[in-house]
Amino acid sequence: DAMVIQNPRYQVTQFGKPVTLSCSQTLNHNVMYWYQQKSSQAPKLLFHYYDKDFNNEADTPDNFQSRRPNTSFCFLDIRSPGLGDAAMYLCATSRDPGLGGTRRPQHFGDGTRLSIL
Amino acid sequence: QQQVKQSPQSLIVQKGGIPIINCAYENTAFDYFPWYQQFPGKGPALLIAIRPDVSEKKEGRFTISFNKSAKQFSLHIMDSQPGDSATYFCAASSGGFKTIFGAGTRLFVKA
Repeated sequence: DAMVIQNPRYQVTQFGKPVTLSCSQTLNHNVMYWYQQKSSQAPKLLFHYYDKDFNNEADTPDNFQSRRPNTSFCFLDIRSPGLGDAAMYLCATSRDPGLGGTRRPQHFGDGTRLSIL
Repeated sequence: QQQVKQSPQSLIVQKGGIPIINCAYENTAFDYFPWYQQFPGKGPALLIAIRPDVSEKKEGRFTISFNKSAKQFSLHIMDSQPGDSATYFCAASSGGFKTIFGAGTRLFVKA
């Protein structure tokens, strides 16, 4: 089945120790997103890639970076995790419908739950 | 302007009941309104979506009602089952790639 796969499912890191979360997709979608979701809250968009073009949300902390080496993979790097960064991190993909095309939904992975010690 | 307001925050119904979740928006540029279902420990999954030129859409037991003039839309779940217990998010998007999510409704269906 075509899908969005996130690894690892659970990640524990120490305060201030860099951590990388990964996402891969077999949907061949050109748009990839990273969301942060805290308990009982809606997903909050951190940034997205349209092909190789990176688009950062204005309120995303500088501590969060991303890389997309190819269509299938995308990484979320947290340079110096703080206690407030403990959350579920969700990767999603969508296909750009093109000008005037039918809007497409986002397809989410099952997330990586990040804990900070 | 960019918000989507969702209510209620939580909902408990008996099996077979019809839970209704309501959402409201201000931005008239929104042109796509998906609903996502999220189970604990899983990512959100698209349930059903509607565009503003349609007043109602049904998929199985799930129905979206859309009122463009009131800028409101709602999700009805017919003959609800315990397996429908999950968190439901309404959302809205316009041109571009940003989707605005409602705050979520935690639904519990009693057996």
